[in-house]
Amino acid sequence: SQQGEEDPQALSIQEGENATMNCSYKTSINNLQWYRQNSGRGLVHLILIRSNEREKHSGRLRVTLDTSKKSSSLLITASRAADTASYFCATRNNQGGKLIFGQGTELSVKP
Amino acid sequence: NAGVTQTPKFQVLKTGQSMTLQCAQDMNHNSMYWYRQDPGMGLRLIYYSASEGTTDKGEVPNGYNVSRLNKREFSLRLESAAPSQTSVYFCASSEMLGSGGTNSYEQYFGPGTRLTVT
Repeated sequence: SQQGEEDPQALSIQEGENATMNCSYKTSINNLQWYRQNSGRGLVHLILIRSNEREKHSGRLRVTLDTSKKSSSLLITASRAADTASYFCATRNNQGGKLIFGQGTELSVKP
Repeated sequence: NAGVTQTPKFQVLKTGQSMTLQCAQDMNHNSMYWYRQDPGMGLRLIYYSASEGTTDKGEVPNGYNVSRLNKREFSLRLESAAPSQTSVYFCASSEMLGSGGTNSYEQYFGPGTRLTVT
């Protein structure tokens, strides 16, 4: 069964607005990663946050992790039309190295 | 570097036909993976290879076989295709599989193979 659940499933915003996507998971994790997938393409790694970290930034991306609530959020600030894509969270547990992917959030940024 | 390459990009099979999806990476990665992606299901791991010479089942291995031909190449075979195997297949690689600790080992994905079984 899938470990990560993203919320919302779809999000539509205007260019310049912020986009927030959430991910919840079920078991203890080692780290949580966010990936982006443009239509018809493979996934691209965006950012990783380890279980002992609470917040991480990379450019316009901000990721938070709350291990007590087993949840993470990805914030994209000042969104652009080029940010239109599906975003997936993926978790790695403490026992093995395999990543478990969520179902994704489809983000549409309108110019 | 080409990264992760997959062939073919598109394929249509009839039920019962067989085919092999090819994957190669030029990043000297130890670990390689095959996923399938279906609408509303995210990515599901079919098989993976932690290192050259080893392969293991993932979440949905039934109906598939794999071969880690060498460090660069990891192929996925459908022996007798079924309509339920209609999907987009992604190959990925990472430096290592990782086991505990705080290892990161992000995965690098190929462009995908869109397979239709009629």
